[in-house]
Amino acid sequence: SAVISQKPSRDICQRGTSLTIQCQVDSQVTMMFWYRQQPGQSLTLIATANQGSEATYESGFVIDKFPISRPNLTFSTLTVSNMSPEDSSIYLCSVVPGGKGSNTGELFFGEGSRLTVL
Amino acid sequence: AQSVAQPEDQVNVAEGNPLTVKCTYSVSGNPYLFWYVQYPNRGLQFLLKYITGDNLVKGSYGFEAEFNKSQTSFHLKKPSALVSDSALYFCAVRQSPNTGGFKTIFGAGTRLFVKA
Repeated sequence: SAVISQKPSRDICQRGTSLTIQCQVDSQVTMMFWYRQQPGQSLTLIATANQGSEATYESGFVIDKFPISRPNLTFSTLTVSNMSPEDSSIYLCSVVPGGKGSNTGELFFGEGSRLTVL
Repeated sequence: AQSVAQPEDQVNVAEGNPLTVKCTYSVSGNPYLFWYVQYPNRGLQFLLKYITGDNLVKGSYGFEAEFNKSQTSFHLKKPSALVSDSALYFCAVRQSPNTGGFKTIFGAGTRLFVKA
């Protein structure tokens, strides 16, 4: 299992500003992902955070808008840049505990960061 | 490309009755299939998964799911629903590693209402 802490848990932001969300895991994990969930909706994968290299982004998401850092195996950040009201959402950090060989495992999620952009 | 379909936005069931939440999937190779639950204002919690082996898998809180390869389905079931089961349920699929996939794709979600 894994315990994931996300900060901030919620924030209200002004249009045009940027916000960085932090994700801290209590154990080393190879696979870490960032998802977006609009309230009551499904989860959309933004990117896979790769330790020591650039994140792998899904279609519709770009590095300039959602830069991601992964300096080590327990920590990652997601920045939402130049925010607009359309970015209002819940952003979730998730991991598959263990090393690369544990890819059959389920995802563990943080509690999420609820962003409201005015 | 992998995808997951949950055909029902909402399922209503009376307490004590059996419940089924439907899920179908499309993925290359052998799928890894998951069910997650999200209670109001909470993060997602894992319920159960199918990787290989028996088609019927059992998970948390008395839930089970049946993998049907020919119908590409992975329906979630519970013999007797509880009011406390009311939540948002997500089906998810991950490609097996020999097809190069590690990412998990989620269905649209099904809201379950259990009436007392």
